[in-house]
Amino acid sequence: QVTLKESGPALVKPRQTLTLTCTFSGFSFNSSGMRVTWIRQPPGKALEWLARIDWDDEKMYSTSLQARLTVSKDTSNNQVVLTMTNMDPVDTATYYCARTDLSTVSPFDHWGQGTLVTVSS
Amino acid sequence: EFVLTQSPGTLSLSPGDRATLSCRASQSLTSGDNLAWFQQRPGQAPRLLIYAASSRPTGIPDRFIGRGSGTDFTLTISRLEPEDFVVYYCHRYGRSVGTFGQGTKVEMK
Repeated sequence: QVTLKESGPALVKPRQTLTLTCTFSGFSFNSSGMRVTWIRQPPGKALEWLARIDWDDEKMYSTSLQARLTVSKDTSNNQVVLTMTNMDPVDTATYYCARTDLSTVSPFDHWGQGTLVTVSS
Repeated sequence: EFVLTQSPGTLSLSPGDRATLSCRASQSLTSGDNLAWFQQRPGQAPRLLIYAASSRPTGIPDRFIGRGSGTDFTLTISRLEPEDFVVYYCHRYGRSVGTFGQGTKVEMK
């Protein structure tokens, strides 16, 4: 059974760096074709794609946010970490991680429950 | 910049009606990229409804039908059930940076 769970601070101050962790089970980055993607959703607004990392450590970032984002993986602990620098109140959102198995051609077949991050002084 | 534009923003229909949601890409999807549709209920993570423009994952009812290619895609819900009155997003995925549309809300008339 595939599960993902996001964790991190619920509240960050403006200009701080946010670090979020996605801890997963039921699959491994030791298997080729595994991908984890970060997506966020401001309250009442649309989904926004942020970044992804593949089993072979290939990474891709949102064009508009790439200067602020870093994604990494800890294969032995089944975790993916997203850092976002220089946080602003407009970054207040629920942050999700989602799994893609590239062998199936279907994206985001499993999602975490999401974690709400509020940016406020 | 690649953009997905969904229309309409809100669709007001009744149970049993047919719903047609549109997703238009600012440029044709390249090889290696594809189009998916997600359903999102309030307070929940999105759920994959359609991938590769027209394929349904196991467990998705056959009233959800995806079509399209190039720049124009549609999601049709053949007969709306009460649980279908929520928000739907299209999404480009594959080799390129991912992109979501702004969503279509299907509301009960």
